[in-house]
Amino acid sequence: AQSVTQLGSHVSVSEGALVLLRCNYSSSVPPYLFWYVQYPNQGLQLLLKYTTGATLVKGINGFEAEFKKSETSFHLTKPSAHMSDAAEYFCAVSDGGYNKLIFGAGTRLAVHP
Amino acid sequence: GAGVSQSPSNKVTEKGKDVELRCDPISGHTALYWYRQSLGQGLEFLIYFQGNSAPDKSGLPSDRFSAERTGGSVSTLTIQRTQQEDSAVYLCASRSGGGSDSPLHFGNGTRLTVT
Repeated sequence: AQSVTQLGSHVSVSEGALVLLRCNYSSSVPPYLFWYVQYPNQGLQLLLKYTTGATLVKGINGFEAEFKKSETSFHLTKPSAHMSDAAEYFCAVSDGGYNKLIFGAGTRLAVHP
Repeated sequence: GAGVSQSPSNKVTEKGKDVELRCDPISGHTALYWYRQSLGQGLEFLIYFQGNSAPDKSGLPSDRFSAERTGGSVSTLTIQRTQQEDSAVYLCASRSGGGSDSPLHFGNGTRLTVT
């Protein structure tokens, strides 16, 4: 069975600082990994995904994530935070041969001036 | 084009009543999901439909919850004899094809409050 753990339910950074949101997964088969973002009062939208190939994936709004199999991690980063990045971020995993997508509990990112 | 549409956007019901939540997926999307989002709990998988295959109901929390998808399109999530712990935002998502790497498109959800 797959599972996702997001370390830190709340993360606060200063505008311009590095953003690092942590995600570790458990999967018995090579996983497909996703980050979704939920802005206040909006639905979830896809930030980026890893399926196969290059382990460093780039997404929208300057975010990127690196798949590290040895660490079973898929941490999300952005070099310089903007106020508009304040949102809730969800990491998700699916079995490459099965379609159920399992989400983590989410990390709420706050960006302060 | 139109996205995933959910109705109602808000629903307040009394404990013990039945409720029906509706999801209209994106046209042509064969996969449809229901998730529940509770405060501080993240997204909890409820049920998954893929084409004409039997749905994956492994996430339904009790036999008070059921869902159907008619004609491979619209889906209804039914909660019978609602309890206060059922209060949450219920999210529907759809995606095209059967590939795991295609992204989910989410609706804005139905906020259910059980009083």
